[in-house]
Amino acid sequence: NAGVTQTPKFRVLKTGQSMTLLCAQDMNHEYMYWYRQDPGMGLRLIHYSVGEGTTAKGEVPDGYNVSRLKKQNFLLGLESAAPSQTSVYFCASSGQGGTEAFFGQGTRLTVV
Amino acid sequence: GEDVEQSLFLSVREGDSSVINCTYTDSSSTYLYWYKQEPGAGLQLLTYIFSNMDMKQDQRLTVLLNKKDKHLSLRIADTQTGDSAIYFCAESITGFQKLVFGTGTRLLVSP
Repeated sequence: NAGVTQTPKFRVLKTGQSMTLLCAQDMNHEYMYWYRQDPGMGLRLIHYSVGEGTTAKGEVPDGYNVSRLKKQNFLLGLESAAPSQTSVYFCASSGQGGTEAFFGQGTRLTVV
Repeated sequence: GEDVEQSLFLSVREGDSSVINCTYTDSSSTYLYWYKQEPGAGLQLLTYIFSNMDMKQDQRLTVLLNKKDKHLSLRIADTQTGDSAIYFCAESITGFQKLVFGTGTRLLVSP
């Protein structure tokens, strides 16, 4: 059982470049989330989705876009990367009525 | 607003008990969680407590919840070097897992 899988695991971008982070879950979960983790700040919610075809803004959505075209996938896009987006990005999923979120292993993104 | 605070660092000796503390501000929290993050890894759920409970014990882990003071603690008995990690407190306000995390406490266990 793979759980939550994120690709890629590492990436270096130049300022202004774009990229998409992919999150896939095989647990048939309704809810999916993207967080970023920065030193001394814990994890902050970027965007989330409560079902296929729906997305919503979290705490720090600026500079990011998301899509949930398929229930098992949640994509996080950076249209024009900035050094402030250097961070570790975590995807998570949870089932309807569940009490636990399952996290991926993270993507370490550096923007130079 | 939602705000979760933790101390940044805790150092203990192997075999001692560790107590990691957390304070939160939103009294409407439904569940409160403790997650563990080992170096280079994702977050692993350790335990959680429902907001109408005062205490939960799970093997070496004891969670205490003081709703009046909005204070949550995690006690690890007989701490081992393998417990060295960052521990995050988190709260869930809504019915699903839209979590608000604390800053994390780095636990260092020395032999």
